[in-house]
Amino acid sequence: NAGVTQTPKFQVLKTGQSMTLQCAQDMNHEYMSWYRQDPGMGLRLIHYSVGAGITDQGEVPNGYNVSRSTTEDFPLRLLSAAPSQTSVYFCASSTGRSQETQYFGPGTRLLVL
Amino acid sequence: TQLLEQSPQFLSIQEGENLTVYCNSSSVFSSLQWYRQEPGEGPVLLVTVVTGGEVKKLKRLTFQFGDARKDSSLHITAAQPGDTGLYLCAGGGKLIFGQGTELSVKP
Repeated sequence: NAGVTQTPKFQVLKTGQSMTLQCAQDMNHEYMSWYRQDPGMGLRLIHYSVGAGITDQGEVPNGYNVSRSTTEDFPLRLLSAAPSQTSVYFCASSTGRSQETQYFGPGTRLLVL
Repeated sequence: TQLLEQSPQFLSIQEGENLTVYCNSSSVFSSLQWYRQEPGEGPVLLVTVVTGGEVKKLKRLTFQFGDARKDSSLHITAAQPGDTGLYLCAGGGKLIFGQGTELSVKP
């Protein structure tokens, strides 16, 4: 199993550009989520999904869109990048049952100029 | 809104020393998790505590869940350079995280 994979590993954008961060998992997990990590702030939840076709907002959803057309994939879209979105983005997946392990991808480092 | 506060935020110690990291909240959690993150990688689960007062041990790491299920602690005995990393507590249905404790263990 590859686990949770994320692409790209690193991206530089100009303000106003759009892009999609890819996330895929091969563990047949129902629950997937996106976090951003900034220095001194831990991980903050952006969006999450409890299954294909179902998504919901986390703590910091503004400026981001998600969709979940398959169990395996959960892309994160930046509609119009801003310097405040410079961060490291992590995708995670789990079975969705309480207290279960969240498996994280290796992260995408995004720099918005 | 559930919040998790970790302390200290930074910790730099010598190999062989003991240390404790704290995770506190004003809210009750049904369970809390501890993750460890190394530079350039995603967090990896260390342990989940689910019962008030529970103590779990993982080699030199001891995790405790408070009796009221509002706090947790991580104690490392005889720290080693390999323990260096970011330690994160997390809990709640949507899994919120504390801000993390950055540990550096010098040889």
